[in-house]
Amino acid sequence: AQTVTQSQPEMSVQEAETVTLSCTYDTSESDYYLFWYKQPPSRQMILVIRQEAYKQQNATENRFSVNFQKAAKSFSLKISDSQLGDAAMYFCAYREGGGATNKLIFGTGTLLAVQP
Amino acid sequence: NAGVMQNPRHLVRRRGQEARLRCSPMKGHSHVYWYRQLPEEGLKFMVYLQKENIIDESGMPKERFSAEFPKEGPSILRIQQVVRGDSAAYFCASSPRGQGADTQYFGPGTRLTVL
Repeated sequence: AQTVTQSQPEMSVQEAETVTLSCTYDTSESDYYLFWYKQPPSRQMILVIRQEAYKQQNATENRFSVNFQKAAKSFSLKISDSQLGDAAMYFCAYREGGGATNKLIFGTGTLLAVQP
Repeated sequence: NAGVMQNPRHLVRRRGQEARLRCSPMKGHSHVYWYRQLPEEGLKFMVYLQKENIIDESGMPKERFSAEFPKEGPSILRIQQVVRGDSAAYFCASSPRGQGADTQYFGPGTRLTVL
């Protein structure tokens, strides 16, 4: 069974600095998708970034980028120029590409604090 | 384009009562997913539905829980005879198709409290 592991329960970063959140996953599939979701205090789940496993190029969305290491099964999120609004719980998620189910498998989350 | 709608946002039930949670997917989306988030935990998949079909219910507890997505109207997650352990946030997500490439867009969640 696929699993997603986030080994950092909490992280802290100074405003305007850069922080990296770690995520590893375990799968025997070759076709899959990886996601980072943000959950602020409002509890709304917001998609931050997604990565297709077949793409070698790392995904980037403005200040957010990933370091996707397929062989190592690692998918870290880098937040540059951190802002106070980035403070939230961040969840890494995996989804199989060609299966009958499209369920997302989530990690346990990393709580990010941004210090002014 | 309105996002995924869930209601109610907060629901309080006493032990033994029934809870009905509603989810209206984004316009043009015909695939709905339900997830549960227990306190201090990540989201766990419960069930995946298409209109009038349950595609995957591997995450649903075997008893007391049921889900439907009728041809007309919202998807409903129903919990019968609630117990304190059912207290959680229940999130609905939708996607336009049932493909792995689809992004799932989440609603704001329903926070269920069982007294």
